[in-house]
Amino acid sequence: NAGVTQTPKFQVLKTGQSMTLQCAQDMNHNSMYWYRQDPGMGLRLIYYSASEGTTDKGEVPNGYNVSRLNKREFSLRLESAAPSQTSVYFCASTVWTGTDTQYFGPGTRLTVL
Amino acid sequence: DAKTTQPPSMDCAEGRAANLPCNHSTISGNEYVYWYRQIHSQGPQYIIHGLKNNETNEMASLIITEDRKSSTLILPHATLRDTAVYYCIVSMAQGGSEKLVFGKGTKLTVNP
Repeated sequence: NAGVTQTPKFQVLKTGQSMTLQCAQDMNHNSMYWYRQDPGMGLRLIYYSASEGTTDKGEVPNGYNVSRLNKREFSLRLESAAPSQTSVYFCASTVWTGTDTQYFGPGTRLTVL
Repeated sequence: DAKTTQPPSMDCAEGRAANLPCNHSTISGNEYVYWYRQIHSQGPQYIIHGLKNNETNEMASLIITEDRKSSTLILPHATLRDTAVYYCIVSMAQGGSEKLVFGKGTKLTVNP
């Protein structure tokens, strides 16, 4: 049981390049989330998927798109990367119960030059 | 904005109890108090949560005041590996669609 996995662990992009961050969970969770964390800051929600087939914007969605590929996988795409998107990106998933205990992946460290 | 207030930093001696306070004076009746921690560069880790009653698990204890306007996370015997940023979060239990609002948390340093 690997929990929540994210790929890649590190990535360097040039301004304007695109890339997709991958996230997968093997806990049969219904809900999945993408957060970003800037230095010295708390996490901010980018997008979430309450269940397979649905996605919704979070606090900071501009410049990102997401795809809930199936119940296990939730990807985050940067179509045209900007230096302001330099951050650590965390994926999380939640058991579909009445509580919000989220399980986080190890993060992807993205630098946009 | 985060609905909680925490001290920016605290120190604790190894082997002693670490008591981390959190104020959440605007908490509503159906909101839970959650605690997560983030060890340097890793993803946040769930610790404990509660609604009204005090809670204890293998990691920590959570004490919530009777008026629910504040709480304390207790690590009974802190170790060096407990050095982390601890986040206190209030959130409604809506089963997956509710976001967690992470503030800046408390940086706990456990000293040898």
